[in-house]
Amino acid sequence: GEDVEQSLFLSVREGDSSVINCTYTDSSSTYLYWYKQEPGAGLQLLTYIFSNMDMKQDQRLTVLLNKKDKHLSLRIADTQTGDSAIYFCAEKGAPTSGSARQLTFGSGTQLTVLP
Amino acid sequence: DGGITQSPKYLFRKEGQNVTLSCEQNLNHDAMYWYRQDPGQGLRLIYYSQIVNDFQKGDIAEGYSVSREKKESFPLTVTSAQKNPTAFYLCASSIPGLRTEAFFGQGTRLTVV
Repeated sequence: GEDVEQSLFLSVREGDSSVINCTYTDSSSTYLYWYKQEPGAGLQLLTYIFSNMDMKQDQRLTVLLNKKDKHLSLRIADTQTGDSAIYFCAEKGAPTSGSARQLTFGSGTQLTVLP
Repeated sequence: DGGITQSPKYLFRKEGQNVTLSCEQNLNHDAMYWYRQDPGQGLRLIYYSQIVNDFQKGDIAEGYSVSREKKESFPLTVTSAQKNPTAFYLCASSIPGLRTEAFFGQGTRLTVV
């Protein structure tokens, strides 16, 4: 089946850039998403990218997609303490058999921002 | 305000008991989902429903049951057959389609005592 992988932990200093990486196996992936989860809360959509794009920028967030290598990254510029959270990569493939596909999530990366 | 409401936020269950987690949405979304989250394992899909009165098993449906009698509601029952039910449960909804993202509730933490 499809698989999405992320490293579990990342620590950065406040003000530095954070780069969270994700790899996926489903070559039919059409949309890829980044979600943020704060402690004890649900997931909040940060951004998404369509598979025919290489890059998407949204304020402090930059998403890079290398479709050939099936590699996705999220860069957070000027990382703040409020960015400390778990970040999930998720992919959605092409619809099959007339049923809408659900998202496949990675294990999440715990980002810790040090003062 | 539109959104997804999960209740309760914390739930304690004795071994051998069934418990039901509530999920209600007022976003007029057709699709609803239940995920289980364990530390370091990401989200695993339990059940999903694309339309009222229809639902499908996800990757880890054993020991769980659902119903979808109304568009707004998708309750999850954790039965005594679920051997390791302690986890954080997340409900989500979306408009079926290629681009639409899932919107999540705030989660229910279930602990077996």
